[in-house]
Order: sequence, then structure tokens, then C-alpha cells
Amino acid sequence: GNSVTQMEGPVTLSEEAFLTINCTYTATGYPSLFWYVQYPGEGLQLLLKATKADDKGSNKGFEATYRKETTSFHLEKGSVQVSDSAVYFCALSVSTQGGSEKLVFGKGTKLTVNP
Amino acid sequence: KAGVTQTPRYLIKTRGQQVTLSCSPISGHRSVSWYQQTPGQGLQFLFEYFSETQRNKGNFPGRFSGRQFSNSRSEMNVSTLELGDSALYLCASRYDRHAIYINTFGSGTRLTVV
Repeated sequence: GNSVTQMEGPVTLSEEAFLTINCTYTATGYPSLFWYVQYPGEGLQLLLKATKADDKGSNKGFEATYRKETTSFHLEKGSVQVSDSAVYFCALSVSTQGGSEKLVFGKGTKLTVNP
Repeated sequence: KAGVTQTPRYLIKTRGQQVTLSCSPISGHRSVSWYQQTPGQGLQFLFEYFSETQRNKGNFPGRFSGRQFSNSRSEMNVSTLELGDSALYLCASRYDRHAIYINTFGSGTRLTVV
């Protein structure tokens, strides 16, 4: 089946520290991969995406590379800020020939960045 | 461009009651999906609608249902509420570009069942 496993938090870092959140997936075929971020009291915001092997998604200093050989999509940021404190979700897209699509999410990783 | 609008933002219901949640997608988006978010189970897919037709359904009991109107607005209904239905319900509207699916989520409806 399709599943996503991401490192469990919470993760606490100091401002300007390096961030890595691990994400691995199991899927049939070659799904698109996403990172979403959720701030307190809000819905999900798309952070970045990659649609094929070796693609690198990037946004707001965050990066993730689609690694088919290791079925991974780890999220990284070189220097985190207090404003990056949120819950981060790794997800894969499962689609059918009929055009239906759904997202399968990891459990989420809560990040707290201290000044 | 307006985002995805979900109403109401918060709801408190009693066990056994039913509830209807509403989602207005981004203008021009024809696909709407619903997800349930709980601390225990995380984010789980409920169903997807496209052009007023349910195209996909997650593993939820029949108490959970939905529909989509001709203007793409969608509603989901939960009947005979149980305590375990307390959750954040998220709606996503989607556009397809070259078979790449981009979902935009609303802020959600927080349902509390007491």
C-alpha cells in the first residue's frame, strides 16, 4: 500500500540552526511528493513539491530532493527562524486513471525554534 | 484570488446529533476533497468530489457523507455523532496542471462532540 513515515518530534532548535526532518515513503509507481506546513489554528499550506525522481523542491529556504533509490524526501533548511515554528507534514499523492487523487500524509513533526 | 473558505470555523455538537460542514473552493477549481485530522490518527482522506460526483472515498463509516453542487461548493455531513468524531475537518480544492495535482487547503472546521 501507500504510506509515509516521517521522523517523530517534537524537534526543538535554536535560531539559525540547521534543520532536517526525515521522510520515507512506500508507494506503487512514482508518486508526487509534498511537504505541507501547519501553523497553530490554521489549515495546511503547501511548502514545496517534487513530481519525479531527482527533482528538488524549494521554497522560503526549505529544500527537499526526491530520492527514488532510497524512497526518501527529507526536508532541510540551513538556518531556521522563530517564525518557522510549526508542524510539518510529508505527503504523497495517489492518483487513479480516472483522475481521482488523494494525499497520504505522515504523522507530522512539530518544530519549535527558540530565539 | 480568494482562497478556500470553510464554514463554520468552530462547532460544538452533542453525541447523536448530525452536523453539516461547508467548503467553497477557489474559483475555477472543480475538485474538492475532505480530510479529517485527529491527534491519534493524523490526517486521513474522507472523500473527493468532481463535477458533483464522488470519485473516491476513504475508509470511513457510512455516517460520513458529502455532496458537491454545480458551483463546485461542497458540503460534508456526519450523522449520529460520536465522541471520536471530534476533529479538525479540512477541505482542499484542487487544480490539475499537466497531471500534477496541487491542493489548496482551507483553514478547517474544528468540530467538538460532547
